[in-house]
Amino acid sequence: AQSVSQHNHHVILSEAASLELGCNYSYGGTVNLFWYVQYPGQHLQLLLKYFSGDPLVKGIKGFEAEFIKSKFSFNLRKPSVQWSDTAEYFCAVIPGYSSASKIIFGSGTRLSIRP
Amino acid sequence: DAGVIQSPRHEVTEMGQEVTLRCKPISGHDYLFWYRQTMMRGLELLIYFNNNVPIDDSGMPEDRFSAKMPNASFSTLKIQPSEPRDSAVYFCASSRGQGAKYEQYFGPGTRLTVT
Repeated sequence: AQSVSQHNHHVILSEAASLELGCNYSYGGTVNLFWYVQYPGQHLQLLLKYFSGDPLVKGIKGFEAEFIKSKFSFNLRKPSVQWSDTAEYFCAVIPGYSSASKIIFGSGTRLSIRP
Repeated sequence: DAGVIQSPRHEVTEMGQEVTLRCKPISGHDYLFWYRQTMMRGLELLIYFNNNVPIDDSGMPEDRFSAKMPNASFSTLKIQPSEPRDSAVYFCASSRGQGAKYEQYFGPGTRLTVT
C-alpha cells in the first residue's frame, strides 16, 4: 500500500538553527508532493507543492523542499528558523495523475523552537 | 472569502450519544473531504464528495459513522453511537477539483471528546 513516512516525530531547535524535516513515500510512479503546516490551534495550510519541473520548490515563509526521485524523498528545509515556526508539519503525496487519486498524509512532525 | 467553516469547534459528549459535526465549504468548491486526526493514526481521509455525491467512503471506520451532503454549501458527519475511541479532531476541507492540481482548503476542525 502507498504510504508516507515522517521519521522525526518531534524536533526541537533553537532560533536561527537550520531545519530539515524528512519525508519518504512508497510509490514507484509519478507523484505530486506537498507540505502542509498546522500552527497551534489552527487548521492545516499549504506550505509548498511539487507537480513537475524544478525539483527544488520554494514555498512561503522561507521554506523550501527538494524532490529526490531516486530516494523517494521530499525533505523540507529552512536555513534559519524562527520561534513563529513552531507548528506541526505534514508531508503529503498524491500518487499518479488520476483524478481519483487520493491524498495520503504522513503522521506529522512537531517542531518546537526555543526562543 | 470566509474559508471552510466548521461547527462546533469543540464537542464533549458521553459514550453512546449521537454526535453531528457540520461543515460549510468554500463557495464554488465542488469537492468536500472529511478527515480525522489522532495522535496514533495521524490524518486520515474518511470520505469525500463531488457535487454533493459521496465518491469514496472507504476510510469511514465503521457503520456508526455516516456523512451527508444535502446541498453544495453544507455537509454533516454523524457518529451514532459515539465511543471514547472516536475522540479526535475532525477536519473538513474543500477544493475546486480533485487531484494534485487542486489545493484543499481546510477548516479549523472540531475537537471531539467522548467520555
